Order: sequence, then C-alpha cells, then structure tokens
Amino acid sequence: EVQLLESGGGLVQPGGSLRLSCAASGFTFSSYGMTWVRQAPGKGLEWVSVIYTGGTSTYYADSVKGRFTISRDNSKNTLYLQMNSLRAEDTAVYYCATTSSYYYAYWGQGTLVTVSS
Amino acid sequence: QTVVTQEPSFSVSPGGTVTLTCGLSSGSVSTSYYPSWYQQTPGQAPRALIYSTNTRSSGVPDRFSGSILGNKAALTITGAQADDESDYYCVLYMGSGTWVFGGGTKLTVL
Repeated sequence: EVQLLESGGGLVQPGGSLRLSCAASGFTFSSYGMTWVRQAPGKGLEWVSVIYTGGTSTYYADSVKGRFTISRDNSKNTLYLQMNSLRAEDTAVYYCATTSSYYYAYWGQGTLVTVSS
Repeated sequence: QTVVTQEPSFSVSPGGTVTLTCGLSSGSVSTSYYPSWYQQTPGQAPRALIYSTNTRSSGVPDRFSGSILGNKAALTITGAQADDESDYYCVLYMGSGTWVFGGGTKLTVL
C-alpha cells in the first residue's frame, strides 16, 4: 500500500523558515517524480514544486521561486521542502504527491503551515 | 499569467449527468496539456480521477469520464450519486516543468 506521510508543519513567524518532509513507503520511491501542492484555508489547490527521479530536475511556481527548495533523499525514501522567507500568504496545508504519467496518483494527508506573528 | 478556469459551482440531481469544464484564460486546452482531474471532500486529501485527458485512475468507477470538449477539458459524471458531492479540480501541464490548477468546482448533488 502506498503511503505518504508529511511532517514538519507548524507555526512560524513571517520571515522565518521551516522544512517539510514527506516519508514514502509502499512503492519504489526513486522511480517517481514528487510534487508539493498547497491549499490555503478555504481556498483551492496550488501547485508549488516538482522534483524528478534523479533529484537534479526541479521546478517551482513563481510564487515560491527563490524562497523554497525541493529536494529528495532516495536512500531514505523522503521528499523535502525547505521554505525560507515565509510570508502570511504561504499559510496552507502542504501535500506531497507522487508524479508520473503527468498526474498525481497518490497524495499524503497534508501538513499545516501557519505563518503569523 | 495564464489562468485555468473552472465553474465555481454546479449542481446535479441524483442519477443525472453533469459535465465540468477546465479552460484557459487565453487559448485552448488540448491533450498536450495532459489535463487531469481530482476530487476532494472537506478535510481530506485530493483523489485522482482522470489523467492524460481521458484515462481513469485505478479504482475510479466508469461513470467518471474525461474528454476535450471544444476548447476545454471536461469531466463528465454519469449517474451522479450523493457521495459525488465534492470539490473537483483540474490541473494542466503548462510546459517548462510547471503546472497550474484550476480554481475548483463545488459540485452539489440535490
């Protein structure tokens, strides 16, 4: 059974940093691209970033470019999102999802990030 | 900045058929955008329904189907059931490694 478990969310002040993790199991992690998607409270889904299998190809939404860094450790079956210079508008539930065949087959349950003073 | 458009809300009667659409603020959606569709109920993670325009994700019943209708991607639900009441999102591949979600459609079954 595919499982994705996000962690690392919490309350952080504006300008602060946070690192999210997504622990994967039940599939060959190294064979899948992985994506972060976020959802602000009461709002729709927003694509944030993707990393492909080798870890060298990464892409970002304009809203996070230069502030967020996606990475992966295939030896630990774990995806990361380093978030710096956080803003109030980054407040959201952050989901990780598998990425292959141009879609997101499996999703984690999400972790809440709240940026507030 | 390209915007992906969806109807904010839609309603369907139980047993009825409804088609939700996914368009672009500028231009037409084609299969080259690899449209996919996701269902989300409150408090839950999204669930994949359709990918690459018209391929059902594993375990998705065949009353969900995808297509291109005119200049938009479309998700059709045939024989709507009460538990189809959810938010539905499309996402398009915009090229250069980036994706954009639509704003979502809130579907009511009544």
